[in-house]
Amino acid sequence: DAGVIQSPRHEVTEMGQEVTLRCKPISGHNSLFWYRQTMMRGLELLIYFNNNVPIDDSGMPEDRFSAKMPNASFSTLKIQPSEPRDSAVYFCASSPGQAVSYEQYFGPGTRLTVT
Amino acid sequence: GENVEQHPSTLSVQEGDSAVIKCTYSDSASNYFPWYKQELGKRPQLIIDIRSNVGEKKDQRIAVTLNKTAKHFSLHITETQPEDSAVYFCAASGTRNTNAGKSTFGDGTTLTVKP
Repeated sequence: DAGVIQSPRHEVTEMGQEVTLRCKPISGHNSLFWYRQTMMRGLELLIYFNNNVPIDDSGMPEDRFSAKMPNASFSTLKIQPSEPRDSAVYFCASSPGQAVSYEQYFGPGTRLTVT
Repeated sequence: GENVEQHPSTLSVQEGDSAVIKCTYSDSASNYFPWYKQELGKRPQLIIDIRSNVGEKKDQRIAVTLNKTAKHFSLHITETQPEDSAVYFCAASGTRNTNAGKSTFGDGTTLTVKP
């Protein structure tokens, strides 16, 4: 298996533009997580899906952020409009889930820079 | 919700010495405690985990201990090597109900092993 796949790996955009980050979890994993990592705030959980259903989005900073998981093999995190303070590394992680393992497998991350 | 505190935030040791990182958690329902290692510019990766029915677990130079009564758990690295230099994150997770698998992360410990 190729592991968790994220695209793009790097994104540079101007303030006000829409940004879409993409994630393909490991096949067969039931849970998917979106994290944001910055020096100031560490590793923050943004949203968590179980069997494609959003379970906990309490970490989503504000309405500018939205996430979808239309099927078991794809998820997106969208920021509209983007702001400089959104600059961070965004990780997607997947986990096999209940009765198998709760280990989270992280993707390589997307480094977002908003100017 | 769960709150995880991790100490110290930075740790510097001489090669060959031991390193200990400690975490406390607040939710008595948490019963899965993973540790992740993140090298510079890389993704977090699981190095060891422990479930609440076990007090200690070892894997070569790495061990984790858990005290459920006191709600704290620790990572022990013996005979440290320069390649152990990284940021280490602890996490606490429940394995029941709809939040099963959702991990709350500590703020991380930057470990530096000096040759």
